[in-house]
Amino acid sequence: QQPVQSPQAVILREGEDAVINCSSSKALYSVHWYRQKHGEAPVFLMILLKGGEQKGHDKISASFNEKKQQSSLYLTASQLSYSGTYFCGTSSGSARQLTFGSGTQLTVLP
Amino acid sequence: GAGVSQSPRYKVAKRGQDVALRCDPISGHVSLFWYQQALGQGPEFLTYFQNEAQLDKSGLPSDRFFAERPEGSVSTLKIQRTQQEDSAVYLCASSFHRTSVNEQFFGPGTRLTVL
Repeated sequence: QQPVQSPQAVILREGEDAVINCSSSKALYSVHWYRQKHGEAPVFLMILLKGGEQKGHDKISASFNEKKQQSSLYLTASQLSYSGTYFCGTSSGSARQLTFGSGTQLTVLP
Repeated sequence: GAGVSQSPRYKVAKRGQDVALRCDPISGHVSLFWYQQALGQGPEFLTYFQNEAQLDKSGLPSDRFFAERPEGSVSTLKIQRTQQEDSAVYLCASSFHRTSVNEQFFGPGTRLTVL
């Protein structure tokens, strides 16, 4: 089942902060975050694993609440380059493929 | 190359034609995934390879879809007798590890339009 992302869209001014949430009804093993700009490949940002391990980007942080099957991506001091659509992808158990949410469109204005 | 490459980038097909989409993963990456992305939606899983073995094809929407990776590197997704509902961006992703969950690196995709 597809994870639910919120908000669907957000508009910020440069320098402002944003939080994007991802919630699943299934027990999760990992949560992956990607950013995709129009017509381009999704770019890896962060992976959070059950048990607390994280791998990712220096300027982006995220949390993973295993009990609630929720993850949040924190974007601080946003830059114009942060604009794009953010997707969370989740995996459960031994499955290697990701199930993606429908995305959060982030627009950063000057 | 430095990243995952896909070709062609754009493909227009008439309904009923067969198409073949190619993916060159990052050298040395064991795992390869195909996803389908409809406009305004997140990618949806189609199939997964570990080296040349197709371990999961549960996401393929019909028996018109076929994927292969015969030598464990380049992969081809073939769609037979294309239909309008096949119009989408087809993304390929590769990952280095086989035994743990790791980041997947995506290619730019092939945008397929079926007329």
